Amino acid sequence: EAGVTQFPSHSVIEKGQTVTLRCDPISGHDNLYWYRRVMGKEIKFLLHFVKESKQDESGMPNNRFLAERTGGTYSTLKVQPAELEDSGVYFCASSQGPGAAQYFGPGTRLTVT
Amino acid sequence: QQQVKQSPQSLIVQKGGISIINCAYENTAFDYFPWYQQFPGKGPALLIAIRPDVSEKKEGRFTISFNKSAKQFSLHIMDSQPGDSATYFCAASKPSGYALNFGKGTSLLVTP
Repeated sequence: EAGVTQFPSHSVIEKGQTVTLRCDPISGHDNLYWYRRVMGKEIKFLLHFVKESKQDESGMPNNRFLAERTGGTYSTLKVQPAELEDSGVYFCASSQGPGAAQYFGPGTRLTVT
Repeated sequence: QQQVKQSPQSLIVQKGGISIINCAYENTAFDYFPWYQQFPGKGPALLIAIRPDVSEKKEGRFTISFNKSAKQFSLHIMDSQPGDSATYFCAASKPSGYALNFGKGTSLLVTP
């Protein structure tokens, strides 16, 4: 069974540019999560999808971040325009159902210069 | 504010020794406490998890000890091996939501 995949693995962009991160969850997992780890800090929750619906987006830092999950399959996280403080590793995770274990992807390392 | 505090930040243990990582939380609504293991270039992988109705859970060389009254939980790695060298994260979540609240991580190095 394929795990959670994320693309790209690394992205280096300039301040003010736009970047779109993609996550493909484990097949059949309705729950999809985005997390971020800024250097030196803990992994922080951004938002949670159940199928195509946003269940909880309380962790989204501001309106420069837009997450979508069209069709309830893969998800994208767009940052527009990117700021220096957006640098970090963005993780996606998926789970099968309520209270089930969350499986993480390898992450996308975003560097904003 | 950080909801789960983890210590130590880094840990060096000799092969065969016991590695102990501690976490503390404030929110009594938390009812799920997983530990994740992360190797360089990989995402966090679920290692073991516990719910507050038990005080200890063991899986192989890995044991979680849970102290509800003290709001603390810890990971013990028995007979630590060099292959256990990784970053370990504790986390906690509430029953009404699925967001995991992570500690800052512990970098474990097991020396031969």
